[in-house]
Amino acid sequence: DQQVKQNSPSLSVQEGRISILNCDYTNSMFDYFLWYKKYPAEGPTFLISISSIKDKNEDGRFTVFLNKSAKHLSLHIVPSQPGDSAVYFCAASASGTYKYIFGTGTRLKVLA
Amino acid sequence: GAGVSQSPSNKVTEKGKDVELRCDPISGHTALYWYRQSLGQGLEFLIYFQGNSAPDKSGLPSDRFSAERTGGSVSTLTIQRTQQEDSAVYLCASSPEDTQYFGPGTRLTVL
Repeated sequence: DQQVKQNSPSLSVQEGRISILNCDYTNSMFDYFLWYKKYPAEGPTFLISISSIKDKNEDGRFTVFLNKSAKHLSLHIVPSQPGDSAVYFCAASASGTYKYIFGTGTRLKVLA
Repeated sequence: GAGVSQSPSNKVTEKGKDVELRCDPISGHTALYWYRQSLGQGLEFLIYFQGNSAPDKSGLPSDRFSAERTGGSVSTLTIQRTQQEDSAVYLCASSPEDTQYFGPGTRLTVL
């Protein structure tokens, strides 16, 4: 049972436009969510996180939105840059636990 | 500063052989995780170490898999009698609190 789902395996966006990556979860106990970016032959690097007490968190070009009722979060990148081309993973955890459940990732390609 | 390092970066082995994968976490990070990423899959949790507490081994797929963390620092993941389905990228991450810092991974190929 996949508790964290990223239904789009890939996404292509033109440079300068907005990239929207989506993530759905099923476990209502999850209250902390993270996005990681992964380049080929490198480990994932932390990008941005959000706690369930918020519905939005912004860091520069990156904004994460959380819709708890829909059990859905999204990562917006604007404006998208070619260097943003990577695989993006969302992850979720529940308070008091240390286990992070990862999605299968979305490969973003930003076209110059 | 040094990040998480893993060795080897690539390992090709024959079915039935044992392999050892090493992780050097960031100094001072008390938590250490091992994950596996198979082709087309997300990161699969394997094992978690936190300080001197007993590790959470609930993600290990079979008794052929084991891991140690010596002195609260370096960790070794051992896979005995490797099978072709063990082929994957094995990622290690260390954490001071909530955010995990990943190493580059070891790509294991079992022929």
